[in-house]
Amino acid sequence: QVTVKESGPVLVKATETLTLTCAVSGFSLSTARMAVTWIRQPPGKALEWLIHIFSNAEYSHTPSLKTRFSISMDTSKSQVVLTLFDMGPVDTGTYYCGRMIWDYTNGWVFDLWGQGTQVTVSS
Amino acid sequence: QSELTQPPSTSGTPGQRVTISCSGSSSNIGSNFVSWFQQLPGTAPKLLIYSNNQRPSGVPDRFSGSKSGSSASLAIAELRSEDEADYYCATWEDSLNGWVFGGGTKLTVL
Repeated sequence: QVTVKESGPVLVKATETLTLTCAVSGFSLSTARMAVTWIRQPPGKALEWLIHIFSNAEYSHTPSLKTRFSISMDTSKSQVVLTLFDMGPVDTGTYYCGRMIWDYTNGWVFDLWGQGTQVTVSS
Repeated sequence: QSELTQPPSTSGTPGQRVTISCSGSSSNIGSNFVSWFQQLPGTAPKLLIYSNNQRPSGVPDRFSGSKSGSSASLAIAELRSEDEADYYCATWEDSLNGWVFGGGTKLTVL
């Protein structure tokens, strides 16, 4: 069964660092033309793409993250770790990780989502 | 403010057909495939349509997608109560090398 699952703290204090882990199962992080994506959804609001890391470890991120992040991939553990620094109240929301796959016919397809993990930033 | 524009809400009665629009620009919808996601209350989004009009295995053919220029639409035929959810369009944005989403449309089945 192909799955992704997020984990991390439920509560983080403002200015602290958030570390989220995306554990994948049923596929390899070294699969070509594949990436793991992080999406955030503030309470009652829309989905927002944050960042993705490709199977070659290159990544792209939304400009709003600026330099406030790091992302890494551990192929042997089948995990992607996203770290967000200097958390603020605007970072409160549900964080989803997911899988993107690419082919010549369909382009990038975001075919798999995790259940999400809720994060609240307290002031 | 989202890169893609969707109506905030729409509604229909059981058995009806509803459509949800998604408007973008030449650098996103205009040059890339559109996907649609369904988010049932309290759950994670699920892929509904990809590559403008393709349905993943298990998605009923009541759901269909289309794209024209820099706009796209999702149509839901034979509306059912279980279709009540938030629907999001998304596509690749060339300038970001990443995804952009619509603001979401809340579908209410009356």
